[in-house]
Amino acid sequence: GAGVSQSPRYKVAKRGQDVALRCDPISGHVSLFWYQQALGQGPEFLTYFQNEAQLDKSGLPSDRFFAERPEGSVSTLKIQRTQQEDSAVYLCASSPGTANGYTFGSGTRLTVV
Amino acid sequence: RKEVEQDPGPFNVPEGATVAFNCTYSNSASQSFFWYRQDCRKEPKLLMSVYSSGNEDGRFTAQLNRASQYISLLIRDSKLSDSATYLCVFHGGATNKLIFGTGTLLAVQP
Repeated sequence: GAGVSQSPRYKVAKRGQDVALRCDPISGHVSLFWYQQALGQGPEFLTYFQNEAQLDKSGLPSDRFFAERPEGSVSTLKIQRTQQEDSAVYLCASSPGTANGYTFGSGTRLTVV
Repeated sequence: RKEVEQDPGPFNVPEGATVAFNCTYSNSASQSFFWYRQDCRKEPKLLMSVYSSGNEDGRFTAQLNRASQYISLLIRDSKLSDSATYLCVFHGGATNKLIFGTGTLLAVQP
């Protein structure tokens, strides 16, 4: 596609519920990143894929967070047993590999009630 | 100490004013630096890269001071449409990720 597509755009989850957030990167982009942005803060790195390999998951805040990119294109970020502190905008970005080639999706706004 | 420090603002300036933002970083291995712009409820978008020699794009000028580990963004002749959050970003070291500051909110008043 022409840009990075994320779905759903908004998600309201009850505390304890599992959620799955989807990211469709730009076709051909080998690098894919997930970021978490809390209100009033800058985006915080969660995890990074190069093709299907998850090369860095140092930013995942707990073992309730899991990401995958099985075929090196679409990626899913899964959050198990959601908690209120998980409420944030989750941004996906893809890149052909260069530092200035990042394109961000519009994000998924997750609200845990 | 946070990896990137920015004054969160808000900076309230009249149209036509010149405004400058600074940002300090702690990772001396950082290789690349950027300013991103983020409008309310939108995704961040690259505004400009920052080079050691300084670079200009129209009304925007970015500078990097490696010795003091800070970057700056100068906006001349502010427009209402410049109102947004400006994020200081660096890339490099051993990782391939972008590290963002908290952002500086600019509000240009008519």
